[in-house]
Amino acid sequence: QSVLTQPPSVSGAPGQTVTISCTGSSSNIGAGYAVHWYQQIPGTAPKLLMYSNSKRPSGVPDRFSGSKSGTSASLAITGLLAEDEADYYCQSFDSNLNGPVIFGGGTKLTVL
Amino acid sequence: QVHLQESGPGLVKPSETLSLSCSVSGDSIKTYYWSWIRQPPGKGLEWIGYIFYTGNTNYNPSLKSRVTMSVDTSKNQFSLKLRSVTAADTAVYYCASRADWFDPWGQGTLVTVSS
Repeated sequence: QSVLTQPPSVSGAPGQTVTISCTGSSSNIGAGYAVHWYQQIPGTAPKLLMYSNSKRPSGVPDRFSGSKSGTSASLAITGLLAEDEADYYCQSFDSNLNGPVIFGGGTKLTVL
Repeated sequence: QVHLQESGPGLVKPSETLSLSCSVSGDSIKTYYWSWIRQPPGKGLEWIGYIFYTGNTNYNPSLKSRVTMSVDTSKNQFSLKLRSVTAADTAVYYCASRADWFDPWGQGTLVTVSS
C-alpha cells in the first residue's frame, strides 16, 4: 500500500478534461514537500511530466497542469488525446520512515 | 542531454546478489545525484536509493540492509548491488538522474530472480 494515494483508474473521451489526485499526509505533501508527476506509456520508462507541483519540463504540452493544496496534489489533463493513455505516478518526500522518496500507486488513464 | 543506460545480468538465482550498472553520457557524474528505482511486473514504482559522487547515499529503509550503491567517476557510471535476492526482487530496474525528481530515466532492465 502506497503512502501517496491515487485512484487506480480514470477515463475520459477525447477532448475532455480529467484530473488525477494524489493524497498524502502531514508527513509528506502536508509538510510542504513538492509533488512531481510521471507519465509511463506501457512498455517504456517513466517520463517526468511535472516537477515542483506545477512546473512543466521543456516539451511537455500546456494541456498538462499541476497543483497542490494541503495534503493533496492534482494533475489535470485538458483536451485529452489518444496518446495521453498511460499510467501516471505522483512522487514526493516523506519525513517518516516511509521515505524519504515516496511514490503513489499509479493511475491508469484510459482515453475512451 | 543526459543519457542513462542500465546493464547487468537478466537472471539471478535466489539468495545471490543482483548487480547492475548505469552508464552516464552527456554530463559528468559529478553533476547530480543518481538514483535507482524498480518496478515489479504489473505493479508500481519503488524507490531504491540515491548516491552522490562523494559516496553520500540514502536508501529505502525497507531495502537498506541489503543495498549498496557506488560510483565510479573514471567510468562515469554508478552501480547497484542488492544482496540475498528472492522472487519478490524480480522487477524492471531503472537508473535515473537526480534525487529530488527523476529526470531522465534509463530504459530499464528486467531482472528475474529464479533458480
